[in-house]
Amino acid sequence: EADIYQTPRYLVIGTGKKITLECSQTMGHDKMYWYQQDPGMELHLIHYSYGVNSTEKGDLSSESTVSRIRTEHFPLTLESARPSHTSQYLCASSLGPNTEAFFGQGTRLTVV
Amino acid sequence: ILNVEQSPQSLHVQEGDSTNFTCSFPSSNFYALHWYRWETAKSPEALFVMTLNGDEKKKGRISATLNTKEGYSYLYIKGSQPEDSATYLCASADRGSTLGRLYFGRGTQLTVWP
Repeated sequence: EADIYQTPRYLVIGTGKKITLECSQTMGHDKMYWYQQDPGMELHLIHYSYGVNSTEKGDLSSESTVSRIRTEHFPLTLESARPSHTSQYLCASSLGPNTEAFFGQGTRLTVV
Repeated sequence: ILNVEQSPQSLHVQEGDSTNFTCSFPSSNFYALHWYRWETAKSPEALFVMTLNGDEKKKGRISATLNTKEGYSYLYIKGSQPEDSATYLCASADRGSTLGRLYFGRGTQLTVWP
């Protein structure tokens, strides 16, 4: 069973609010990722980290930011939510590209 | 960015039918191919990770093959059951993906009717 947790599972929030999506893993993985998925589309990488204090933007441009102060914690923040941010956000971790990735259950964000 | 394509987009089968899906990916610089099963309201769960040309892996009624020279992988489900209903995701990593980043296809949504 995967030991990676995301909260909240669902979030409906008003435009302009600041939000933080939490992601934690207890497997000691250095590599962590945030993916965004719209219905019927691929998972798109928006942020990744290969260890503490290292973060990089992914392929899909995102107005969100991330931090990696502790190995187990990789939160994603939106300073000012907009309806265009409505999507599903998935957090994952792994040891490397030739090992399986472990996913959280996702956060379904709706900005009204 | 790697272009990973999956077909079909969706599939409806009767319980007991066998089925298969295709994943195509760029063969140059290939490093690894992943298959995940994603059930509604759950996390994507790894089925297989394959790295070698000709790899065949099996887990119960599900198996997968890999052809890295032509850039495709097949996922087979023998005797489909309603609990196999899920979206099956394929993802590829290339030799430049030292950070373990994967490029995903859009998935094949399988529905198995009792």
